[in-house]
Amino acid sequence: NAGVTQTPKFRILKIGQSMTLQCTQDMNHNYMYWYRQDPGMGLKLIYYSVGAGITDKGEVPNGYNVSRSTTEDFPLRLELAAPSQTSVYFCASSYQGIGEKLFFGSGTQLSVL
Amino acid sequence: SQELEQSPQSLIVQEGKNLTINCTSSKTLYGLYWYKQKYGEGLIFLMMLQKGGEEKSHEKITAKLDEKKQQSSLHITASQPSHAGIYLCGADMRGNTPLVFGKGTRLSVIA
Repeated sequence: NAGVTQTPKFRILKIGQSMTLQCTQDMNHNYMYWYRQDPGMGLKLIYYSVGAGITDKGEVPNGYNVSRSTTEDFPLRLELAAPSQTSVYFCASSYQGIGEKLFFGSGTQLSVL
Repeated sequence: SQELEQSPQSLIVQEGKNLTINCTSSKTLYGLYWYKQKYGEGLIFLMMLQKGGEEKSHEKITAKLDEKKQQSSLHITASQPSHAGIYLCGADMRGNTPLVFGKGTRLSVIA
């Protein structure tokens, strides 16, 4: 069981570039999330999904887009990258519900220069 | 304002000493989760607390949730270098909502 897999692990973008952070899980979890972690600031929720075709905004959604076409995949799209999006991004999933135990990927460290 | 306050922000302890990390909310929590993050890695689940007064232990780590379900503590007994990392508390603040996290406590254990 791979769990939650994120790619890439590291990426450097130039201001204005776009990219997609990939997240896939093989646990058949309905609920998936994207968080960002800035130094000393804990985790902030960007977007989440309760199932294929359903997504909702979290606390800090501006500058990001998501889609959920399958149960397994929940990609995060950055359009027009900005230095403020420099962060570590974590994808997570849960099985039983929204406020339940999260299973995390290993993270993507993104720098926008 | 931060919905979940963690204290202390950082902690340096000598190997073998005990320590406590706190996580406090002004609201009643529906579920409280403790995670550990090794530097540069993902978050590893430690424990979940849901009932007021609940206490759980795993190896040398004990977590408690107070009766009001507004404060949790994580206690490590006889700390070891393997305990070093960032400890985060996360909670369902409103019932069936995504977890909100505290800012984390960075723990260093020195010989």
